Amino acid sequence: QVRLVESGGGVVQPGGSLRLSCEASGFSFSSYGMHWVRQAPGKGLERVAFIQYEGRYENYADFVKGRFTISRDDSKNTLYLQMNSLTTEDTAVYYCAKDCGLGGMRDHWGQGTLVTVSS
Amino acid sequence: DIVVTQSPDSLAVSLGERAAISCRSSRSLLYSSNNKNYLAWYQQKPGQPPKLLIYWASTRESGVPERFSGSGSGTDFTLTISSLQAEDVAIYYCQQYYTSLRTFGQGTKVEIK
Repeated sequence: QVRLVESGGGVVQPGGSLRLSCEASGFSFSSYGMHWVRQAPGKGLERVAFIQYEGRYENYADFVKGRFTISRDDSKNTLYLQMNSLTTEDTAVYYCAKDCGLGGMRDHWGQGTLVTVSS
Repeated sequence: DIVVTQSPDSLAVSLGERAAISCRSSRSLLYSSNNKNYLAWYQQKPGQPPKLLIYWASTRESGVPERFSGSGSGTDFTLTISSLQAEDVAIYYCQQYYTSLRTFGQGTKVEIK
């Protein structure tokens, strides 16, 4: 079955950088788009970024403002999120999700990794 | 982006009573190629990731109790809990997955009256 395991979260100072990873298994990773979604403490869910299968297309939420980069390594079945110029407002649990695909039924989510931006 | 709006923000219902949450989309979520609505409902309890309850607006995920049901089409959708149980206390989110720019409702907190 689909399994997504995020890693790379932790505590970082404002202005710092962090790279999140999401290791995928149980499906043909290269055939699906992938998402990053985040949830700040006590807040709702918001999309961060999307990358199409084979990396053909990317899009980002406005608040990313060129600070984050989504990428993938299909040879390693792994999705990444490079986060630079972090602020305290980026503190959140970051989830990766497998896109449902064209005509597909549903997305699948990982368990999330916590990023804390604090001095 | 498609805007998804939930109502109410919070809901207090007696045990065994019915709870209903509304979700409205700024664009139709009906995909003409398969006649499916790309709207999902999630349940989230404290400290846990969101759990999928309903996909395609009305299809219950495997293992989800029958008291949870989804309805609606196009731009207006409803999640109904037919008989609220104590374990249903949670925040519920709707999500459109019609476009790659996934968007979510703001969440509805369901509590026991």
